[in-house]
Amino acid sequence: KNEVEQSPQNLTAQEGEFITINCSYSVGISALHWLQQHPGGGIVSLFMLSSGKKKHGRLIATINIQEKHSSLHITASHPRDSAVYICAVNSGGGADGLTFGKGTHLIIQP
Amino acid sequence: GAVVSQHPSRVICKSGTSVKIECRSLDFQATTMFWYRQFPKQSLMLMATSNEGSKATYEQGVEKDKFLINHASLTLSTLTVTSAHPEDSSFYICSAKPAAGPDTQYFGPGTRLTVL
Repeated sequence: KNEVEQSPQNLTAQEGEFITINCSYSVGISALHWLQQHPGGGIVSLFMLSSGKKKHGRLIATINIQEKHSSLHITASHPRDSAVYICAVNSGGGADGLTFGKGTHLIIQP
Repeated sequence: GAVVSQHPSRVICKSGTSVKIECRSLDFQATTMFWYRQFPKQSLMLMATSNEGSKATYEQGVEKDKFLINHASLTLSTLTVTSAHPEDSSFYICSAKPAAGPDTQYFGPGTRLTVL
């Protein structure tokens, strides 16, 4: 069973700061997801990646397969980025359910 | 983009009753749907994997007779919590994997179940 660890668990930063959230996992994977969960509970999928780096707007996700590690970066952070960010992995093929990290609770203060 | 809906968004029921939650893929067909559960301040946990036209595969520790899953079409899966108890109160989220296109999952907005 894959163990997914995220750090930090909680992060408070000022508007405009560069944010990094880390995720590590214990067993090789086929894909890693970064998800955003808003206070109401709804989940939005931000990225799915299996290698390299992806960028969408102010969000950047990287993954190092050899080191079993991924990072999510937010540039020029804004209060609307406040949410819980969750790392999740597919341990098998894409049809497998995900294993989730506990999430990082991010608060961006104006 | 791909949209997954869940109904209801919130439900409050009495202990001992059954509750049905629907998960629909609105603009794509989903061969596989997943059901997750999230207790307060905990991570999401996979409950079961549902493939259209076949029996669901349940994770260890999830009672298949208590959490009935039906995936009768490529756009609809239902989760029925039978004889609900207060400890079943949780946030239930489904996701759907498209039959074609990107190898990813699209999440529903979730259903908050409160059992009194």
